[in-house]
Amino acid sequence: DIVMTQSPDSLAVSLGERATINCKSSQSVLNSSNNKNYLAWFQQKPGQPPKLVVYWASTRDSGVPDRLSGSGSGTDFTLTISNLQAEDVAVYYCQQYYTTPWTFGQGTKVEI
Amino acid sequence: QVQLVQSGAEVKKPGASVQVSCKASGYTFTTYVISWVRQAPGQGLEWMGWISPYNGKTEYARKFQGRFTMTKDTSTSTAYMELRSLRSDDTAVYYCARVMSIFGVVITPHYMDVWGKGTPVSVSS
Repeated sequence: DIVMTQSPDSLAVSLGERATINCKSSQSVLNSSNNKNYLAWFQQKPGQPPKLVVYWASTRDSGVPDRLSGSGSGTDFTLTISNLQAEDVAVYYCQQYYTTPWTFGQGTKVEI
Repeated sequence: QVQLVQSGAEVKKPGASVQVSCKASGYTFTTYVISWVRQAPGQGLEWMGWISPYNGKTEYARKFQGRFTMTKDTSTSTAYMELRSLRSDDTAVYYCARVMSIFGVVITPHYMDVWGKGTPVSVSS
């Protein structure tokens, strides 16, 4: 199974500042045949289901503010929240869909 | 709009079974895979499996094989999951999610783009 490891487990960021969340996979999730990284990021607020933020490692889902951005390739990925707003407070999960079983990181809690 | 509406909360005793439904609307049910993910209280997300409403093909996480079954009813655009021989550590919120997929010679599910609100299942004697 591919193990997804996020860091840090939690971070506190001031309003307007930048939050950076890292995600490392135990093996590459890059498909060399189409050059796509099979990596998604989800945002989960208390009492709500996860919400897709980024897929293919760097494609923002519809309606997601452009202050949230994904980057990385192979085994190392980053979700960056620029200009942090109060509504960005949540737990963020990375997830690989390269191979089953699909696996998630343990989550990173972002606080103000 | 695209929606996945799940059935209500369940309370079960150890050893019992639970069925959760997931009714899709706002899109063509057979053109997306449905996945099931669970989240124990205060814990992270755990993928359980997926089912193609198009042809019924399924893929299960090894951990749940043997006591977890996914089915679908295309006439009502509803997916179902059943978990048997429930234990206390099956207490969790169970989510269904729509999966963007490529339908070719082989179905290739990709990312989960729309989620249901979740169904809490509590297992306690």
